[in-house]
Amino acid sequence: GAVVSQHPSWVICKSGTSVKIECRSLDFQATTMFWYRQFPKQSLMLMATSNEGSKATYEQGVEKDKFLINHASLTLSTLTVTSAHPEDSSFYICSAQTVAVYNSPLHFGNGTRLTVT
Amino acid sequence: QKEVEQDPGPLSVPEGAIVSLNCTYSNSAFQYFMWYRQYSRKGPELLMYTYSSGNKEDGRFTAQVDKSSKYISLFIRDSQPSDSATYLCAMGVTGNQFYFGTGTSLTVIP
Repeated sequence: GAVVSQHPSWVICKSGTSVKIECRSLDFQATTMFWYRQFPKQSLMLMATSNEGSKATYEQGVEKDKFLINHASLTLSTLTVTSAHPEDSSFYICSAQTVAVYNSPLHFGNGTRLTVT
Repeated sequence: QKEVEQDPGPLSVPEGAIVSLNCTYSNSAFQYFMWYRQYSRKGPELLMYTYSSGNKEDGRFTAQVDKSSKYISLFIRDSQPSDSATYLCAMGVTGNQFYFGTGTSLTVIP
């Protein structure tokens, strides 16, 4: 149980275009989903926290107009990288937390490797 | 001071060895403790989840929490080459705020 599916697993796009990444909880409902960015050999950097039906909360230094997050349902959150630039190239990972169990652990997707050329 | 400290390694052990991975933390209010395994270019996979102090065992994995010392450990018995990965500790106070260690890179040599 507790499977989180993230799509696509990798994407290459040209500078200036936008890319959408989907994060789905397959067998549970997730009130809260988190988006992380991970640089090589570094830990997870929290970008934003999204709660179903409300605006995402962004961490300091993360541009909310660049990284658009939508959490329209209890099983789907999306991250759109707008007007991507090469410095946005990174590994993006989502995680979800089930509504059913208070203080439940995070379950992660398999990540999306974004390369902006 | 970081909330969570974890030695990045790398750590290399022979197959069959017992592996000990550790994290220390500064916030005495942490109550929830997790260990994740992350293979290269994959998302973290939950291995162990414990609440408050004590030990938890699951197969070859044992998680220990010592709140008095602000120290948590993950032990891997009879380590296998497939255990080669980065191990992340994570902890939290309330239900949806988590703090991660930087990860320890482990290689198990056949």
